[in-house]
Amino acid sequence: GAGVSQTPSNKVTEKGKYVELRCDPISGHTALYWYRQSLGQGPEFLIYFQGTGAADDSGLPNDRFFAVRPEGSVSTLKIQRTERGDSAVYLCASSLSGTSDYEQYFGPGTRLTVT
Amino acid sequence: KQEVTQIPAALSVPEGENLVLNCSFTDSAIYNLQWFRQDPGKGLTSLLLIQSSQREQTSGRLNASLDKSSGRSTLYIAASQPGDSATYLCAVGMGAGANSKLTFGKGITLSVRP
Repeated sequence: GAGVSQTPSNKVTEKGKYVELRCDPISGHTALYWYRQSLGQGPEFLIYFQGTGAADDSGLPNDRFFAVRPEGSVSTLKIQRTERGDSAVYLCASSLSGTSDYEQYFGPGTRLTVT
Repeated sequence: KQEVTQIPAALSVPEGENLVLNCSFTDSAIYNLQWFRQDPGKGLTSLLLIQSSQREQTSGRLNASLDKSSGRSTLYIAASQPGDSATYLCAVGMGAGANSKLTFGKGITLSVRP
């Protein structure tokens, strides 16, 4: 079946611009996670959705970052006033349920470059 | 705060060698541990998931073990092949809801020489 998909695969934007990154989880997965991976590092948690609600947004670095999942499926990560330090690969994962009983399945990521 | 460490950062071995990749974590109250593979410029592929009640999991040439009390996991790769060259990451989950988020190590970059 279809895995987690993310669009765009690459995004280059100028400092100060607004960007949106999209994630389509595996059908039927209620839990959705966003992570950010900088070069040479492991992914770091940003935000977790259970259904439509953001159950944990403790990993968002500041209020320029915001994410939504209005219908409990597709999620959009939004970054305002981008900075060069936001450059990273943004990974989305989904899981059957929001417990550690289940594997998290990752998408291919969106590589964001802020110039 | 949970911290996950993977040492060494890189490893190079000749084809055919059996090898062990190590992962350690500071908080032993984990719920599960997951090993991933990441190819350059790609996302993460799940290899094995070990629940806290389990000691090991096997898939083909891969075997992952978990020792919760000592805060360690190992990924054993038998008869390594050049196609195994990738970065291997381990990650721990702490439970349900907000605790289900994964904490990752930095990964071990494996190169298998033909």
